[in-house]
Amino acid sequence: LAKTTQPISMDSYEGQEVNITCSHNNIATNDYITWYQQFPSQGPRFIIQGYKTKVTNEVASLFIPADRKSSTLSLPRVSLSDTAVYYCLVAPGDTDKLIFGTGTRLQVFP
Amino acid sequence: EPEVTQTPSHQVTQMGQEVILRCVPISNHLYFYWYRQILGQKVEFLVSFYNNEISEKSEIFDDQFSVERPDGSNFTLKIRSTKLEDSAMYFCASSALAGQETQYFGPGTRLLVL
Repeated sequence: LAKTTQPISMDSYEGQEVNITCSHNNIATNDYITWYQQFPSQGPRFIIQGYKTKVTNEVASLFIPADRKSSTLSLPRVSLSDTAVYYCLVAPGDTDKLIFGTGTRLQVFP
Repeated sequence: EPEVTQTPSHQVTQMGQEVILRCVPISNHLYFYWYRQILGQKVEFLVSFYNNEISEKSEIFDDQFSVERPDGSNFTLKIRSTKLEDSAMYFCASSALAGQETQYFGPGTRLLVL
C-alpha cells in the first residue's frame, strides 16, 4: 500500500477555506485516494474519493495533480463543527480494507 | 438516514473474561468490518466479512478473536480471553459494495479491560 504523509495538525478560523495536502509518492496505477473524517469518540466518516483531476461534492473538493503523487482536500468556509481528524487513504479501488494513518487534526477557532 | 448501531457503548471487563461486542449493520449492506482504535492511536483494521465468511483479517485478529453473523441483522465480535492491551474503541462498519469509499461506521464500543 502507498505510504501517505499529512501534516499532524492545522489551525483555522471559522469561515476560512482549509486545504490539507497529502503526499503519496509511491501511488500505484490502480490506487484511489479517499478521505475520511473522524470526530472525537466517533467512527470515521467518508468525505470524498478521487482518482485524478478534481472531484467536488457537497462537503469538500479534492484536487489531484496529473502525477497523482499528492492530493489536497479543500474544505470551504469551515465552521467549528469541522474540528476533527482528517485521514488520507491510498489503496486499490477494489480493496475494502481501510488503512488509516495518523491523520491531520484540524482545529477551527471562532 | 440509515445508521450502523453498536452495543454496548461501554464495556468494562476483567482480564481473561470473554466479551461479545454487537453491531447491527445497515440493513441492505453485504460487507461487514471491525476496526479498533486504542486511545490516542490510529484506527486499525481487524477483519472483513462477506457472504458469511471472513474475507480478510489483520495480524491483530488472532485466535482470541472471532466474528459471527448469527442472524440476518447482527454482526458480532467475540474476544475469547481479554488482555489489558485489548482496551480500545471498537468500531463496526458496513458497506453495500466492496471498496474504499462506501463504509459506514458505527459509534463504537469502548472496551476497558482491567
